[in-house]
This record gives sequence, C-alpha cells and structure tokens, in this order.
Amino acid sequence: AQSVTQPDARVTVSEGASLQLRCKYSYSGTPYLFWYVQYPRQGLQLLLKYYSGDPVVQGVNGFEAEFSKSNSSFHLRKASVHWSDSAVYFCALSPDTNAYKVIFGKGTHLHVLP
Amino acid sequence: DAGVTQTPRHEVAEKGQTIILKCEPVSGHNDLFWYRQTKIQGLELLSYFRSKSLMEDGGAFKDRFKAEMLNSSFSTLKIQPTEPKDSAVYLCASSNRGGTEVFFGKGTRLTVV
Repeated sequence: AQSVTQPDARVTVSEGASLQLRCKYSYSGTPYLFWYVQYPRQGLQLLLKYYSGDPVVQGVNGFEAEFSKSNSSFHLRKASVHWSDSAVYFCALSPDTNAYKVIFGKGTHLHVLP
Repeated sequence: DAGVTQTPRHEVAEKGQTIILKCEPVSGHNDLFWYRQTKIQGLELLSYFRSKSLMEDGGAFKDRFKAEMLNSSFSTLKIQPTEPKDSAVYLCASSNRGGTEVFFGKGTRLTVV
C-alpha cells in the first residue's frame, strides 16, 4: 500500500536557522513526489515536485528537496528560514500522472521564532 | 488567472441542517476534487470529477455527502443532515487532465453545533 509519513507533527526553529522537514514514503516503484505549503486560512500551494532526474529539486522561496530511493525519503530543506515561512507543510505522493491518486501526509506545522 | 474559488469561507450549522458548499475551479481544468481536512485525519478525498463525471465518491462519505458538478465551472458539496463530527475545513481543488499539480481553494471552515 502507498503511504506518506511525516514523522514530525510540529517543528520550531529560530529565524535565520536552517531547516529540514522529513518525509518518508512507501511505494514499490518510483513515485511522483511533492511538497505543498498551507499558510493560515489558505489552501495548499505547490512548493516543488519531483518526477525524475536530478534528485535535488528546487522550489519557490529558497526551498529544495532531495529524493532518496534507497531511503524512501523526500526531505524538504531551506538554508535560512524567515518568520513568514511559518505554515503547515505537506509531503505528497502520486503513483502516476493522475492527480486524484495523490496521497498527502498529515503535515508538519513549522513555527519560526522571530 | 483566477484560482479556485470557494464560498462561503465560514459556515456554522446546527446539527441536522443541510448545508451546501460551493466551488469554482480554475478555468479550463478538467479534474475537480473535494477534500475534508482535519487535524487528526489530515486530507481525505471526498469526491473526484473528471470532465463533470463523478469518478470517485469517497466510499465512507457516501451516505450524507453529495457532490455535484453542474457545469465545468461550478460544483457543490451538500451535507445532509450535518453532524458535529462534520466540523472541518472543506477544500475544493482542480487540476488539468493528466496533470499532477493540484490547485486548491482557500477552503470553507464548517462548524456544526
């Protein structure tokens, strides 16, 4: 069965610190992988996506993620966070190009201390 | 381009009432989704339409939840009758046919008292 696990429900970091949000997936093949962000009282917005090729993908606002097939992971990173990055981050997986098959993790709430 | 528009943003209903949530997808998108979002369960798919045809009706949500797509640019989600456990954020989303990126609306926060 396919699944996405975000082991940290809540992460707190200070402004300017580096960030890693963890995502582990379960899927027999190579999935399509995504990170979405949800700001307060907003819908989810796509940060970045991985289909194939270079395992490090760049997203908006300085975010990047690294795909590891051996570890079944797709961790999100940012070198220096800003208070405005405070939001809920969702990792997601899709087995193919059909959007209705996307499976979302339960999200990690990031709190950046000013 | 307008994104996905959901109305109302907030809804308070008494137990047993019927409520209707509305959604306008991104213009030209063929796929439309309704999700329920709670802190405990996360995002749960309620319904999925492709070119106005209902493809997925969310299994466990069938008895009191009904989504319809009246035309390619408008969808509704009816909950009848509402129960307190239905309190959640309901998100509408759309995507291009064959596309994996999903565009979300800002959601409707439903509180059932």
